[in-house]
Amino acid sequence: GEDVEQSLFLSVREGDSSVINCTYTDSSSTYLYWYKQEPGAGLQLLTYIFSNMDMKQDQRLTVLLNKKDKHLSLRIADTQTGDSAIYFCAESNSGGYNKLIFGAGTRLAVHP
Amino acid sequence: DVKVTQSSRYLVKRTGEKVFLECVQDMDHENMFWYRQDPGLGLRLIYFSYDVKMKEKGDIPEGYSVSREKKERFSLILESASTNQTSMYLCASIGVDTEAFFGQGTRLTVV
Repeated sequence: GEDVEQSLFLSVREGDSSVINCTYTDSSSTYLYWYKQEPGAGLQLLTYIFSNMDMKQDQRLTVLLNKKDKHLSLRIADTQTGDSAIYFCAESNSGGYNKLIFGAGTRLAVHP
Repeated sequence: DVKVTQSSRYLVKRTGEKVFLECVQDMDHENMFWYRQDPGLGLRLIYFSYDVKMKEKGDIPEGYSVSREKKERFSLILESASTNQTSMYLCASIGVDTEAFFGQGTRLTVV
């Protein structure tokens, strides 16, 4: 079945770049998403990429998609303490129902 | 703005009670989903619906049921709440070729 995997924890220094990685198994994925969840808050869509793209940039965020390896990454440039959160990778398939499958989330800790 | 609204942010229920969690979206989306979120486990899909009166089991449907009588509303039902159903519940909706939108979540505690 479909599966999305990501590492559980990443620690970086303020001002450095963060790279959060994700792998997925469903080759029919249509959209791939990155969500951010701050403590006590709901899920916030950060960015998404359509499966026929290999890169998307949005200010400090860069999403890279390697469809052959089924690998997605989120790079946050100039990471700030306000970026500390859990980041979820998710994919939706083209099976007609747009079902969203999530990874377990990567907790990003930013240290001064 | 797309809005997905969940009826309660916080809920406390007793073991054995029947619990209804309501979700309403205002963008005429076909697909609606219920997830639960637990630390270290990410979001796990309970049920989803791709049309009125249609429903599909997700990965963890046991102990839950759903209702989709109208396109904008998707209800999650805990027939007899148990303590292991204490969790954060998230509703989402997705249209055709659109991104997913989430509600703010309902934190349910079963005592």
